[in-house]
Amino acid sequence: SQQGEEDPQALSIQEGENATMNCSYKTSINNLQWYRQNSGRGLVHLILIRSNEREKHSGRLRVTLDTSKKSSSLLITASRAADTASYFCATDDLRSWGKLQFGAGTQVVVTP
Amino acid sequence: NAGVTQTPKFQVLKTGQSMTLQCAQDMNHEYMSWYRQDPGMGLRLIHYSVGAGITDQGEVPNGYNVSRSTTEDFPLRLLSAAPSQTSVYFCASRSSVYNSPLHFGNGTRLTVT
Repeated sequence: SQQGEEDPQALSIQEGENATMNCSYKTSINNLQWYRQNSGRGLVHLILIRSNEREKHSGRLRVTLDTSKKSSSLLITASRAADTASYFCATDDLRSWGKLQFGAGTQVVVTP
Repeated sequence: NAGVTQTPKFQVLKTGQSMTLQCAQDMNHEYMSWYRQDPGMGLRLIHYSVGAGITDQGEVPNGYNVSRSTTEDFPLRLLSAAPSQTSVYFCASRSSVYNSPLHFGNGTRLTVT
């Protein structure tokens, strides 16, 4: 069964706009990770946030984590056409190190 | 560094045939894993290994075998292919350092007819 569930399933925005996607999960975690997948390729790691962190930044990415609500959000600011991809959250469960569980992903389309 | 290399990129099998999906990594990662990706279902863990000689089942192990004789290689064997195994398969590895991310290969697209 899936641990993380992303919302929305799909998102269409214009270049320059911000894109926000959310992830909810069910169990206690060590960390939560976000990955990007371009069409026909493998997943690429974007950012990892530990369970004791509330916010993290990396370039145009901002991730928040609320362990009391078991949710996370990924914000991409000033989006570009090259940000068009699927984005997945993955949780590293406290009880089973290494067995990352992925959600179904958010498909983001950025139009010029 | 090539990272994680998967072969083949595409494969078509008939029901009942067997085959091995290859995965190799050159980062000296202890942990390796296999996922399958199906539309609308994200990635599901098939098998994983925390080091040479050690393997364990993930969420959907039925119909698949793995072995880990070296740190670098982690092949996935389909014993008797079924149409339900039509999917995209990803191999991934990570360091044993706490909170390290997964590194993915580019996948093998398998169709079983």
